[in-house]
This record gives sequence, C-alpha cells and structure tokens, in this order.
Amino acid sequence: GAGVSQSPSNKVTEKGKDVELRCDPISGHTALYWYRQSLGQGLEFLIYFQGNSAPDKSGLPSDRFSAERTGGSVSTLTIQRTQQEDSAVYLCASTSYNEQFFGPGTRLTVL
Amino acid sequence: RKEVEQDPGPFNVPEGATVAFNCTYSNSASQSFFWYRQDCRKEPKLLMSVYSSGNEDGRFTAQLNRASQYISLLIRDSKLSDSATYLCVVSPASKIIFGSGTRLSIRP
Repeated sequence: GAGVSQSPSNKVTEKGKDVELRCDPISGHTALYWYRQSLGQGLEFLIYFQGNSAPDKSGLPSDRFSAERTGGSVSTLTIQRTQQEDSAVYLCASTSYNEQFFGPGTRLTVL
Repeated sequence: RKEVEQDPGPFNVPEGATVAFNCTYSNSASQSFFWYRQDCRKEPKLLMSVYSSGNEDGRFTAQLNRASQYISLLIRDSKLSDSATYLCVVSPASKIIFGSGTRLSIRP
C-alpha cells in the first residue's frame, strides 16, 4: 500500500524566503509528526498532531516555523524568512500503534 | 539529561562478530520501546519493537530492563549490510522520543 509521501524531495531557497513542505500520511493514521535532521545528527522533534487535539508545538525552534494539518490528513510545515541554519532534512511520520512510518523527507538547502 | 541517550559510536566490528548497544531513558512511565534503523541519507525504518519479556528476530535480540531504565539491541553474526545507524525510540504516553543513534560499521 501507499506509504507516507513528502514533497518536494529537494528544495533550494534563498535566505529570507518562505518555504512550504508537504506531508501526505498513510490513510487512517491519526497521528502525524514532523522532525528535522541535520547532517550526521539525530532526529529533532518539531511538532505532533493527534486527531482533533491541539498540536504539540513544543519542538518548533522559533516562531518562523508553523504547521497545520487539514482535515486530519495532509500536513504542511511552513518556514518563514528562512535562515541558513534551517538547512536540514525535514521528515514526516505517521503513526499506528506507536510505530512510526516515515516519509522520504524533504532536503532543504538555504543559500 | 537527555530523555533518551545512546552512545553515538561508531562501533566498528568485523563481519561475523556479535555487537550490542544500550540505550537509557529517563522517564520511568515509558511504555513502548523500539529500535529503528537508518541507512545513510534514508529515512528511519522500524527494526523491531522491544517487549518486556525480550524478543528475538533472527540475528537480532532486543531486551528491556525497566529497573535500570535501558533497552538493548544485540546483533549476532553481523553482516556487512548491518552497517547503519540504530535509533532507540521510547514512548511515554503519547510522545515518541528518538535517541540520537548509534553508528555501526561492519568491516569485511
């Protein structure tokens, strides 16, 4: 069956621009997570959506980062006024019984 | 103190060797435990869940020690294809927390 998909797979942007990253979770999975991973580093939790509950935004590094999940399915992570330190791979995962299924990630490069 | 801690490695072992890594966690209310594997430039994928009684899947054995708050992963008869980063995952309630991973490199 279809897994988690993310788009774009690669994004190169200039410092100061806004970017939107998209995640399509596995159908029926009620929980969705966003992480980022810098080269050679571990996963950094960003935000978590569970059903209709208010999202856990405790991992967002600054107010330039925001995310929404429409209709309990597709999620968009938005980074405003990108900075070079935002360069990383952004991973989305949807969850079933605490098992996380990851998308292939979006590699963001901020020049 | 980090909620989930792992030795970053790298562990560099010869093919055929047995290797083990531990992962410690700080939240005693943690209920679910997993090992994920991440290949270079790929997304993490579930390797195995860790059950209270311990569990085995082929060459891989996972153990949970609640008293000392750690989980372990043992790989027997290691293969070149086992080279990867192994991520420990702990879930207290609805949160899912990843360790930063242990790098394993198997040499011929």
